[in-house]
Order: sequence, then structure tokens, then C-alpha cells
Amino acid sequence: DSGVTQTPKHLITATGQRVTLRCSPRSGDLSVYWYQQSLDQGLQFLIQYYNGEERAKGNILERFSAQQFPDLHSELNLSSLELGDSALYFCASSVLSGRAAGELFFGEGSRLTVL
Amino acid sequence: GENVEQHPSTLSVQEGDSAVIKCTYSDSASNYFPWYKQELGKRPQLIIDIRSNVGEKKDQRIAVTLNKTAKHFSLHITETQPEDSAVYFCAASSGLKGGSQGNLIFGKGTKLSVKP
Repeated sequence: DSGVTQTPKHLITATGQRVTLRCSPRSGDLSVYWYQQSLDQGLQFLIQYYNGEERAKGNILERFSAQQFPDLHSELNLSSLELGDSALYFCASSVLSGRAAGELFFGEGSRLTVL
Repeated sequence: GENVEQHPSTLSVQEGDSAVIKCTYSDSASNYFPWYKQELGKRPQLIIDIRSNVGEKKDQRIAVTLNKTAKHFSLHITETQPEDSAVYFCAASSGLKGGSQGNLIFGKGTKLSVKP
């Protein structure tokens, strides 16, 4: 158990709909990251938050948005869903350690299926 | 931004043989290079990492080497076992300006199969 909790574990929805994925980081971790994993596509970085503020943005579509709340949990909102959005969405958290990057602890992921 | 290339995409070895996975990165400012293992249906987990001030690091049967000049790093697994079968991802992180830690950019992964 990594200490990172993601809900829901599985989600099936239709095209055009909107869903929200939730992540609770490990206790004490201030940074939260979202990754998308599609078949044969590896782990695509979407966005990073640190202590409530957006820190880095990757290949995140405009239909997607995220935020980190004062209690440090984060939500990833996916709207106007398309078939191609079907993927496993991982949240990860890490301890801030000065200027150095460090280990990411991944949640179990939320598997989204868009029909 | 950073781009990480990983090869091969699939690798099949006999139990007891060695396996080598190679990655290249594009951002010369990158300073942290972890390797993650993802078993089928599971989350990625860190197995070893190396920072840019070190050329090689070893942990039992696993070692990572880094060549900063060539901008490539490699994962070496010796005496492979069936339980080593998984997808392995390399990653690179350059760190962010202002003293914060950076996001990881991952390679596309290598599916390692160890045949008994």
C-alpha cells in the first residue's frame, strides 16, 4: 500500500459526459501529480500541484482540469469525454525535498471507460 | 520540454540471464533518473534511481548507469527470475525553477518476460 488513495477504482460513462477523479496523497506529501496511462502509451504526465498551486503542466487537454484543495487532496475533472479518453488515470504524491526530485508514490489508479 | 526514449519495447530472456534496458533523454538540465516497475494490473513502483552526480548505482541484482555526456542511462538486471517479468519504465526529471522538485517524464516502457 503506497498510502495514496484514488477513487473511484472503475468508472464507465458515455461520450460527452463529465467525470471527477479524486486523489488523497500520502500523509505529509505536498505534491500531487496526475498521469494518464493508455494502452501502449506509457505514462503521460498531465499536471502537478504543490500545496494547492499548479506547478507544472504536461499534455493535458483543455477539456481536462484539476485542482488541489487546502486539505491537499486533488481532483481531476474530465469533460466532454471522448472514446479516446478511456485510460487508467494515476495520481501520485511525493515529499518535497529541497531542489531535488524524488520518489513518486502512485495510487492504484482509476480506470475510465468511455462508451 | 523533456523527452525520454526507451528501448527495447519488449524483451524476452531466459531465467538466469541478464536484461538491459536503455533510455535517452533530451534535456541536459535533467538531474534525476528513476526506474519504475509495473506488474500487470498494479501501480508503478520505484525500484532504483540515480542522480546526475553519480555514474552508477547498484542494489542487489539491479544496477543503473548514467552517462551525462551522451544523455543516456540504462537498467541492468542480473540473474533474472520469473518474478522480474513486468513492464519497466525509465523517467527523467529536471527539477523546477525556484527550488521545487520536478515532474517525471516517463519513457514508453519495456515489457520484460523472463522464461523459466
